Amino acid sequence: ETGVTQTPRHLVMGMTNKKSLKCEQHLGHNAMYWYKQSAKKPLELMFVYNFKEQTENNSVPSRFSPECPNSSHLFLHLHTLQPEDSALYLCASSQGLTGQGETQYFGPGTRLLVL
Amino acid sequence: EDQVTQSPEALRLQEGESSSLNCSYTVSGLRGLFWYRQDPGKGPEFLFTLYSAGEEKEKERLKATLTKKESFLHITAPKPEDSATYLCAVQEGYTDKLIFGTGTRLQVFP
Repeated sequence: ETGVTQTPRHLVMGMTNKKSLKCEQHLGHNAMYWYKQSAKKPLELMFVYNFKEQTENNSVPSRFSPECPNSSHLFLHLHTLQPEDSALYLCASSQGLTGQGETQYFGPGTRLLVL
Repeated sequence: EDQVTQSPEALRLQEGESSSLNCSYTVSGLRGLFWYRQDPGKGPEFLFTLYSAGEEKEKERLKATLTKKESFLHITAPKPEDSATYLCAVQEGYTDKLIFGTGTRLQVFP
């Protein structure tokens, strides 16, 4: 595997379910990100982890819970979601704060549908 | 407030018809401006990073330029396979945040 991978690619869940999204990066990076992409809206940053420490939580509801066990893996745990949470969830990684604008590399995303 | 605006929202071109996409931004202390290409149902694919006004980068039929207020993505003699949504994003100060525009949906017809 190369680059950034995400599983599952598609997920349908009810509002009472609990599920997790997984992201893995094979680029040797130290920073990982979760974004939400909804139709007609810009990508919204949700969480940032840098060297396994959460450095950004962009006012995300507590029904979304991130976990970063190491620099290569990132999870997004989902529980009691709402239909408006249906979106494409994207994971990205970058080298880790270097003082200049860092390129973020994205995975293919998980298409989530909440019924 | 930091802001990124892309125009046009959608663009239809004939194959070979060159054009430009615009990304205007308002940010305090630009750290980098990024262009991505996104195909339907896929994640954004990195194209270019620009760091300072006057900088230009090229890749095949694409050329990105940067001024203090905006960036252009010039597409020369496009082909149908260039059809995608092109996203612009800026990074400001010393944060980890990328602020994205809503994108330009490009369709190139044979």
